[in-house]
Amino acid sequence: GESVGLHLPTLSVQEGDNSIINCAYSNSASDYFIWYKQESGKGPQFIIDIRSNMDKRQGQRVTVLLNKTVKHLSLQIAATQPGDSAVYFCAEGASGAGSYQLTFGKGTKLSVIP
Amino acid sequence: DTGVSQNPRHKITKRGQNVTFRCDPISEHNRLYWYRQTLGQGPEFLTYFQNEAQLEKSRLLSDRFSAERPKGSFSTLEIQRTEQGDSAMYLCASSSRYTTTNTEAFFGQGTRLTVV
Repeated sequence: GESVGLHLPTLSVQEGDNSIINCAYSNSASDYFIWYKQESGKGPQFIIDIRSNMDKRQGQRVTVLLNKTVKHLSLQIAATQPGDSAVYFCAEGASGAGSYQLTFGKGTKLSVIP
Repeated sequence: DTGVSQNPRHKITKRGQNVTFRCDPISEHNRLYWYRQTLGQGPEFLTYFQNEAQLEKSRLLSDRFSAERPKGSFSTLEIQRTEQGDSAMYLCASSSRYTTTNTEAFFGQGTRLTVV
């Protein structure tokens, strides 16, 4: 079936460097995408979302890029901090299909080296 | 703390027993979702409520699973005759009627179920 996947399962970055987490999706009907951060023992925390009619969206220290041509999504974290260490999931949804479910990828573990 | 409360946080049960989990969403949110997450995987959708109506169910929600939201506020998820494969984190999320999608869904901290 169609699913959301990730290119890298783990990522280690030096504190202060920028991080880039990638995600591939395959459902062409998906019209919105979300990045979640999940710390150990906690539920996913919403970071940023993007609709399919956009190719870039910026938040506080984070930027999401969407390339619909190659069905690719990325999350850029600027000046990565130790508190950014967590597992990051991308998720996709298709509001036009009348469904409210999100399909999550497997996640990328980000480790920040102090 | 997102404002979505789940109880209990942890549950250990013997195979074959029934378990029930509770979710209290953010008070003004009319949309409520249940997801299941196994170790090392992303959450998997189980079911969706809009107010008290259960509008969407995943094929993962076998006949041993039932979810309710009787008054459109809190929700319960019951698993009957638990199996070891049911061991997972059960996550609840809620979102507001004022979003056209569920992009602003807030997750609770989950209930960790271990079936022994």
